[in-house]
Amino acid sequence: GENVEQHPSTLSVQEGDSAVIKCTYSDSASNYFPWYKQELGKRPQLIIDIRSNVGEKKDQRIAVTLNKTAKHFSLHITETQPEDSAVYFCAARTQGGSEKLVFGKGTKLTVNP
Amino acid sequence: NAGVTQTPKFQVLKTGQSMTLQCAQDMNHEYMSWYRQDPGMGLRLIHYSVGAGITDQGEVPNGYNVSRSTTEDFPLRLLSAAPSQTSVYFCASRPPSGNIQYFGAGTRLSVL
Repeated sequence: GENVEQHPSTLSVQEGDSAVIKCTYSDSASNYFPWYKQELGKRPQLIIDIRSNVGEKKDQRIAVTLNKTAKHFSLHITETQPEDSAVYFCAARTQGGSEKLVFGKGTKLTVNP
Repeated sequence: NAGVTQTPKFQVLKTGQSMTLQCAQDMNHEYMSWYRQDPGMGLRLIHYSVGAGITDQGEVPNGYNVSRSTTEDFPLRLLSAAPSQTSVYFCASRPPSGNIQYFGAGTRLSVL
């Protein structure tokens, strides 16, 4: 089955710096890759996602890149702000009816003012 | 729309007790899932359903049962609770034509 590895497990940056979180997946049939942000005590919330027919997607300060050949995808946050502090999870899913969304173990991002 | 509603929010059980975690959605989503979240482990899929009457196992199904008699409800049953089932449980739903999963607020379960 699918296995998703996420690095780093913790990341501390200064406000205004960029943050990059990387994930690798094992199943070449996976073709949907979402990123979730989870604040303490809250539910995970989707912040951006990408399908396998796209190499990059941007939404304001957040971008995701996908390298299908290497089976890895990354989350980029620019101009970080203290409210970006949270745990971020990547995930991978094979489409075509399967509901098996496999998550990475998460990255705790701390943005220091 | 209320979205995905989970009850209860908190629960403490003794080892060997049984209980049902409730999940209901009012978005007419076919797909529903149960995850557990443990520190440092991310979210792991327990069971999922692609429609009423259809369920399947995820990564960590042992000790849990599910059924899906209606589109709206997807209860998770613990038949004999164990301390290893102490966790935060999230229910999620999505339409088959869409990708975005909508999560409930979670149930924090402690088994003593």
